[in-house]
Amino acid sequence: AQRVTQPEKLLSVFKGAPVELKCNYSYSGSPELFWYVQYSRQRLQLLLRHISRESIKGFTADLNKGETSFHLKKPFAQEEDSAMYYCALSGGGYSTLTFGKGTMLLVSP
Amino acid sequence: KAGVTQTPRYLIKTRGQQVTLSCSPISGHRSVSWYQQTPGQGLQFLFEYFSETQRNKGNFPGRFSGRQFSNSRSEMNVSTLELGDSALYLCASSLEGGDTQYFGPGTRLTVL
Repeated sequence: AQRVTQPEKLLSVFKGAPVELKCNYSYSGSPELFWYVQYSRQRLQLLLRHISRESIKGFTADLNKGETSFHLKKPFAQEEDSAMYYCALSGGGYSTLTFGKGTMLLVSP
Repeated sequence: KAGVTQTPRYLIKTRGQQVTLSCSPISGHRSVSWYQQTPGQGLQFLFEYFSETQRNKGNFPGRFSGRQFSNSRSEMNVSTLELGDSALYLCASSLEGGDTQYFGPGTRLTVL
């Protein structure tokens, strides 16, 4: 069975501080990993996916197959980064996402 | 392009009733997936449709069903509603499946 674990429900940091949102997964094959973000009163949207290896809004995430992790990082947090972040996994070629429970990121001035 | 749209946005039903939710995917997208979001369980996959066929199904009882039409629009139906069915139901579309999913705003269902 596939599973995604986000150990922190809430992460509170000050503006300019580094941020790391943790995500661990279990999957028997080669998964695709995603980070989705939901800003207040907005719909869920894709932040980044591991195969694209992009940096979006200053966020990066590296897939570590040995540690089965896909942590989301940003060197300097901004207040507008405050949102709910979901790590998700997809196995195979189907559009089936398994989500973690989410981490609320609060960035204070 | 217009985004994924869902109707209605809010619904209030009573136990035992049934409900139908609608989702219009982004133009050209052929895959539609449905998710249930609750505070306790988070986001859980319900089912996925591609070219009018259910391609994958999550671990939900048979009261939850869906379908997809030839224009890729999708509906999901919940029969014999229970209090625990109160949730935000999200629809997501993608081109073929296995690629980026784009989410709708959701339908908030309240069962009294």
